[in-house]
Amino acid sequence: EPEVTQTPSHQVTQMGQEVILRCVPISNHLYFYWYRQILGQKVEFLVSFYNNEISEKSEIFDDQFSVERPDGSNFTLKIRSTKLEDSAMYFCASSDSLGEQFFGPGTRLTVL
Amino acid sequence: AQSVTQLDSQVPVFEEAPVELRCNYSSSVSVYLFWYVQYPNQGLQLLLKYLSGSTLVKGINGFEAEFNKSQTSFHLRKPSVHISDTAEYFCAVLDFGAAGNKLTFGGGTRVLVKP
Repeated sequence: EPEVTQTPSHQVTQMGQEVILRCVPISNHLYFYWYRQILGQKVEFLVSFYNNEISEKSEIFDDQFSVERPDGSNFTLKIRSTKLEDSAMYFCASSDSLGEQFFGPGTRLTVL
Repeated sequence: AQSVTQLDSQVPVFEEAPVELRCNYSSSVSVYLFWYVQYPNQGLQLLLKYLSGSTLVKGINGFEAEFNKSQTSFHLRKPSVHISDTAEYFCAVLDFGAAGNKLTFGGGTRVLVKP
């Protein structure tokens, strides 16, 4: 069964460093998303991506964040200069249309 | 903007007892509704979804949910829980934006099944 994969599973970084979180969505899907979950809190939408551009982003997704689909398979989230409050679990998801979104296992980002 | 309220942050329940997790959403238009489960240290797994049709939706692992438009609710139920159902459960609504279709999640309900 096809699934969304994410790497790494855990990333530890120093405050101010850049991180890139990687995702491989399901191959025939057209819509891609990033969500995050700060420890003990709800899952929050960050950004959606369709047709090689951002279709919607939340107020959390400021200038420090960017997304890219560098090739036909990967979908990345970059945080330019990490802050302590960026520590969270980051989930990638994909869907083929409006409806069910399939989630990856997540990347736990720890900013020290 | 959509909002989703899960009224219970924690629900302790004994094994083989029934459980109901409450979810209310705010919307005046057609919605898609979902329940996801998150087992400890894992990602989100879809339990069930309501897109249209019958208001009683059956999902995996014996779970079901009922869509009630007049009460804007989508409560999740299981008649007899197992220890393995210990997890966090998230209700979510699909928000049809201009171009995106983001999910808005509730705060989650942590279910602890006791022997």
